[in-house]
Amino acid sequence: AQSVTQLGSHVSVSEGALVLLRCNYSSSVPPYLFWYVQYPNQGLQLLLKYTSAATLVKGINGFEAEFKKSETSFHLTKPSAHMSDAAEYFCAVNNAGNMLTFGGGTRLMVKP
Amino acid sequence: DVKVTQSSRYLVKRTGEKVFLECVQDMDHENMFWYRQDPGLGLRLIYFSYDVKMKEKGDIPEGYSVSREKKERFSLILESASTNQTSMYLCASSLLTGGSQPQHFGDGTRLSIL
Repeated sequence: AQSVTQLGSHVSVSEGALVLLRCNYSSSVPPYLFWYVQYPNQGLQLLLKYTSAATLVKGINGFEAEFKKSETSFHLTKPSAHMSDAAEYFCAVNNAGNMLTFGGGTRLMVKP
Repeated sequence: DVKVTQSSRYLVKRTGEKVFLECVQDMDHENMFWYRQDPGLGLRLIYFSYDVKMKEKGDIPEGYSVSREKKERFSLILESASTNQTSMYLCASSLLTGGSQPQHFGDGTRLSIL
């Protein structure tokens, strides 16, 4: 069985500050991991994915995530938040089947 | 770019009605999925399909059925709509490979059952 835990349903940062969104997973086999972003009234858009090539994965919009097997974590970071980053972020895991298991989501708020 | 199109962005129906939500993808993907999204509960899988006329139940299939007559189209059916099915519904598609391929999502249908 696989599961995903996102710590913090709401995260608030100031514009220009570091963004850190936490994701921990459990999986019985080496996982594939994904981060998605959802803007208001839209579907989910892929930010980045980990597929065992490199542990530090770069995505769109300046985001990156680091896979740490020993910590079973895949935290999402961005050095400097922008107002346009305000959205909901979802971490997801796939253990080589067809289905993704999603975390509960983290809503990121960016203060001016 | 993959395009997943859901037929309606907003839909209002009445209790007891039969409701059809349509989803079309243009990238010849084998897998298609239906999720519902509710505040605090994240995304929950209702059904998925890995081929034409094939379907598998997800985590919350009760009260729903699906149809996949053509590879590009996956329909979600609420047999007799109830107020607890008011939600955001998201369709997704992906290639049939061993898990490394991401799912691509439509913009969602916000369904209200009165």
